[in-house]
Amino acid sequence: DQQVKQNSPSLSVQEGRISILNCDYTNSMFDYFLWYKKYPAEGPTFLISISSIKDKNEDGRFTVFLNKSAKHLSLHIVPSQPGDSAVYFCAAKSQGAGTALIFGKGTTLSVSS
Amino acid sequence: DAEITQSPRHKITETGRQVTLACHQTWNHNNMFWYRQDLGHGLRLIHYSYGVQDTNKGEVSDGYSVSRSNTEDLPLTLESAASSQTSVYFCASSVDRSYEQYFGPGTRLTVT
Repeated sequence: DQQVKQNSPSLSVQEGRISILNCDYTNSMFDYFLWYKKYPAEGPTFLISISSIKDKNEDGRFTVFLNKSAKHLSLHIVPSQPGDSAVYFCAAKSQGAGTALIFGKGTTLSVSS
Repeated sequence: DAEITQSPRHKITETGRQVTLACHQTWNHNNMFWYRQDLGHGLRLIHYSYGVQDTNKGEVSDGYSVSRSNTEDLPLTLESAASSQTSVYFCASSVDRSYEQYFGPGTRLTVT
């Protein structure tokens, strides 16, 4: 059963607007969450992360929000740029499970100019 | 510059053959991971290692093995390749107590 779910396979946004990518999880033992970005023919690259003790983390145009009661996190990109077009993966780490990550299926973001 | 490399980048092999994919990192990271990426499944953990002589099974470890004889390398072996193992394989590494993993460029494996 999927523990990390990205229910939207794709998202299309216009340049300059906000992109919101969503991620839901089922395991209450998850205590750290990460977002990765992946371009075609390249490996994923780390984007931003958040600990379960926080509800928001911001890094430039990227903000991650965590709602523990809803077991939901979201990645906001403002403003969106064509170079943001990529596949975005949500990942989670379980408390006491070392540093192994569980990834969602990914959401493909397309930003048009 | 420190980096993580994978070889080969592309491989075509026949069903039943043994295949080894190489992963080499120069960051001196203790933690190393192997994932496969398939359409509709995202990234799934195959095996991982937290140091020399340490190996652990991930979510989809059947048909795969790893060994860790030094810090820099974690080769992934497919004992008897199957068509279901056609995939893109990513190696990653991380420093102790960090959850941020650095990924290699991937190996596209086709089993015919």
